[in-house]
Amino acid sequence: NAGVTQTPKFRILKIGQSMTLQCTQDMNHNYMYWYRQDPGMGLKLIYYSVGAGITDKGEVPNGYNVSRSTTEDFPLRLELAAPSQTSVYFCASSYSGTTSYEQYFGPGTRLTVT
Amino acid sequence: GQQLNQSPQSMFIQEGEDVSMNCTSSSIFNTWLWYKQEPGEGPVLLIALYKAGELTSNGRLTAQFGITRKDSFLNISASIPSDVGIYFCAGQLPQGGSEKLVFGKGTKLTVNP
Repeated sequence: NAGVTQTPKFRILKIGQSMTLQCTQDMNHNYMYWYRQDPGMGLKLIYYSVGAGITDKGEVPNGYNVSRSTTEDFPLRLELAAPSQTSVYFCASSYSGTTSYEQYFGPGTRLTVT
Repeated sequence: GQQLNQSPQSMFIQEGEDVSMNCTSSSIFNTWLWYKQEPGEGPVLLIALYKAGELTSNGRLTAQFGITRKDSFLNISASIPSDVGIYFCAGQLPQGGSEKLVFGKGTKLTVNP
C-alpha cells in the first residue's frame, strides 16, 4: 500500500491564482481530512469528509473548498490564493469506528503565495 | 478553540539520554495520540491511548494517558540520532468525533551523537 499520497510536493502561486491540491489514499478509509501547518504551530483542520459525497468544515475553512466523489480521493481547492494561505498542507485519512482517531498523514504540499 | 500546551518546546540532548515530554490542557480528552514528524514529511502515528491511566509502549517509546484525562506524557529511552524530529500530541474531545482532534504545537528534539 502507498498509504496517503499528495501532489504536488511544492507549489508557488501568485495572488489571485487558483489551484487544486490532490490527495489519494489506498487504505479504503472512510474518513479523510485536510490540515494546514504553519511554522511553530499545531495542525489546523480545514475540511473533513466521513465518506463519499459528505464533507464538512473544520476550524479554518475560509478560502478553501473540497469535494469527495470517491472513497479514495479528496482534493482541496484554493480559488483566489492569498499570502495568508502560504503554509504546508497535509491530507490524512482514518478508518471509521473506534480507531477513527488514528489518522494517517500524507507527505504534505508546501505552498507559497506571493 | 481548545488548547493543548506541549512542553518543552525544544530539547537538545546527548545520544543515550532519556527524554520526557508532556501535553496538558484545561479540558478533558477521551483519546490521546502521539505523532512524530521528520523534516519534509507528514506526521507518523507513534502511540494511541484510549483509557485514563493507560500506559503503552512502542519499542523505546512509552506514553501514558493521565488519570485526570487532561494530560499525557511521552518518554523516549536511550535516545539515538534517528529520534530527531518534532513530536506532536493530539487529543480527541469528548463532544466530537475524529474531526475533533486538537494538536499541540510540538516538541522539537535534537540528539547530538
